[in-house]
Amino acid sequence: EAQVTQNPRYLITVTGKKLTVTCSQNMNHEYMSWYRQDPGLGLRQIYYSMNVEVTDKGDVPEGYKVSRKEKRNFPLILESPSPNQTSLYFCASSLGAGSSYEQYFGPGTRLTVT
Amino acid sequence: AQSVTQLGSHVSVSEGALVLLRCNYSSSVPPYLFWYVQYPNQGLQLLLKYTSAATLVKGINGFEAEFKKSETSFHLTKPSAHMSDAAEYFCAVSSLDSNYQLIWGAGTKLIIKP
Repeated sequence: EAQVTQNPRYLITVTGKKLTVTCSQNMNHEYMSWYRQDPGLGLRQIYYSMNVEVTDKGDVPEGYKVSRKEKRNFPLILESPSPNQTSLYFCASSLGAGSSYEQYFGPGTRLTVT
Repeated sequence: AQSVTQLGSHVSVSEGALVLLRCNYSSSVPPYLFWYVQYPNQGLQLLLKYTSAATLVKGINGFEAEFKKSETSFHLTKPSAHMSDAAEYFCAVSSLDSNYQLIWGAGTKLIIKP
């Protein structure tokens, strides 16, 4: 089954404790992206990747890191989480960026930082 | 810069009534326009998209949207609401303006009254 998977689905952590949220897709998509969703703000893009070893900042990259060493994986790293990073995070992938490619979303990771 | 405005954070309709969710966008170049739906505790999935072909676009689950360039609008409609349509709906735009990254509206929660 074609899908985007994220782990963990739920995470409660403390300020300053490094964490990684994994994202994997099995559709051989070139493009992957991370978003955060906050009430009343819709989705805001954190980072995206056009292909392996190619990543770029989105609208809200501060406090986050990403890497794209393999085509299928695009982990999101919070080196020193803070309470303002409490949010719902989505990973998405598509055949490419540009034009009208549909993005496929993972189920989301709900992160709480205390 | 591109932006998307969804009028109404919550819209309530009776089962069987017309659904109308409003989306206005700003873009200095021809845009691609999307509607995504998010069911409770799930990721987003594509409802429909406008890609500069027909201005009236039909999507899944009986939804359709009409691109009106003069009004910079892409409103989503469904003739008869069903209880299963209760979800949050997001409008998004992409174009050369945003380097083809999706710019999202804040979302509209659709409530269906029995």
